Amino acid sequence: EAGVVQSPRYKIIEKKQPVAFWCNPISGHNTLYWYRQNLGQGPELLIRYENEEAVDDSQLPKDRFSAERLKGVDSTLKIQPAELGDSAVYLCASSKPPGELFFGEGSRLTVL
Amino acid sequence: DQQVKQNSPSLSVQEGRISILNCDYTNSMFDYFLWYKKYPAEGPTFLISISSIKDKNEDGRFTVFLNKSAKHLSLHIVPSQPGDSAVYFCAAGDWGAQKLVFGQGTRLTINP
Repeated sequence: EAGVVQSPRYKIIEKKQPVAFWCNPISGHNTLYWYRQNLGQGPELLIRYENEEAVDDSQLPKDRFSAERLKGVDSTLKIQPAELGDSAVYLCASSKPPGELFFGEGSRLTVL
Repeated sequence: DQQVKQNSPSLSVQEGRISILNCDYTNSMFDYFLWYKKYPAEGPTFLISISSIKDKNEDGRFTVFLNKSAKHLSLHIVPSQPGDSAVYFCAAGDWGAQKLVFGQGTRLTINP
């Protein structure tokens, strides 16, 4: 069974530029999460999807962050414009409730 | 407001001895607790979980203990092996809501 796939693994951009991250969850997992992990911290939830519906986006900075999950499978997280403080690892996870979350390898963003 | 805390940023243990990682939580609504392990440049991987109806769960060398009255859980690894060197995250959540809150992580180093 293939795991959660994320791309790109690494991205370096200048501030004020846009960036997008893509996630393909494990087949059959209808719950998808985007987490952000700052250096030395644990993952923090940005948004959770049940199929194509965003059921918890309370922690998503909506002025610059957006996300979508078309057809309830793949998901894209976008930041526009990026700020220095957005440098972090962006983790996608999926689950088939009830059960544990399976994480991808993450996308490391560096904003210069 | 940090609902899940791992107060030890790092822990060093000799190979073959017991490793004990600790975690405290504040939200009494949490009923599901997990430990994740993370190697550098990889996403967190699920290790072991426990529900609030239990006080102990074992899986091979790994045992998780839950003390609900103290809002405390711990992960015991016996015997510790070099491959156990990683960052360990404690996570807690509401099983029904499928929402997890992570601690800051503890870096475990197993010395030969």
